[in-house]
Amino acid sequence: DAGVTQSPTHLIKTRGQQVTLRCSPKSGHDTVSWYQQALGQGPQFIFQYYEEEERQRGNFPDRFSGHQFPNYSSELNVNALLLGDSALYLCASSVGRYYGGTFGSGTRLTVV
Amino acid sequence: SQQGEEDPQALSIQEGENATMNCSYKTSINNLQWYRQNSGRGLVHLILIRSNEREKHSGRLRVTLDTSKKSSSLLITASRAADTASYFCATDAEGNNRLAFGKGNQVVVIP
Repeated sequence: DAGVTQSPTHLIKTRGQQVTLRCSPKSGHDTVSWYQQALGQGPQFIFQYYEEEERQRGNFPDRFSGHQFPNYSSELNVNALLLGDSALYLCASSVGRYYGGTFGSGTRLTVV
Repeated sequence: SQQGEEDPQALSIQEGENATMNCSYKTSINNLQWYRQNSGRGLVHLILIRSNEREKHSGRLRVTLDTSKKSSSLLITASRAADTASYFCATDAEGNNRLAFGKGNQVVVIP
């Protein structure tokens, strides 16, 4: 039984570019939450998707947006990348609107 | 914002010793969870303790919760080299349905 799958594992982008990160939830899970983890810090909640809608949002600018598809997979989009967006982006899936759940291994984004 | 604050932030112990980490938080919570993270990868859920519980055990893990002091502790007994990781507490605050993580404890278990 596959857990949470995130892609890509690593990527490097240039300041000002746009990036899309992807998450496939664990089988049977219908909710996806996204977190940003800067180096040496704890994860910070970005937003949560349930029933294809954004249900909760953390303190992140509108440059951060997302989507959930009918198969429950999700994308995180970040526009106009800043150097400060460099971080590990974690996706967590769960059944219903539970804010923990099973985490993926993350996508390491480096903005240069 | 990150609500939890773990203390101490770095701990180095010999294999077989016990490791204790603390976490404090600021608001009323529904529950508190502890996670482990190896080498900056994904988080692994260790244990959840609800606000009406005071102590919980899972294998070599013991978690306590003191809601009057808004603090929790995680004890790992008989540590192993494989326990080397960062440990985070996360709170699910009342009226604010999102997980707030602390900054984490780096634990190094020396074989």
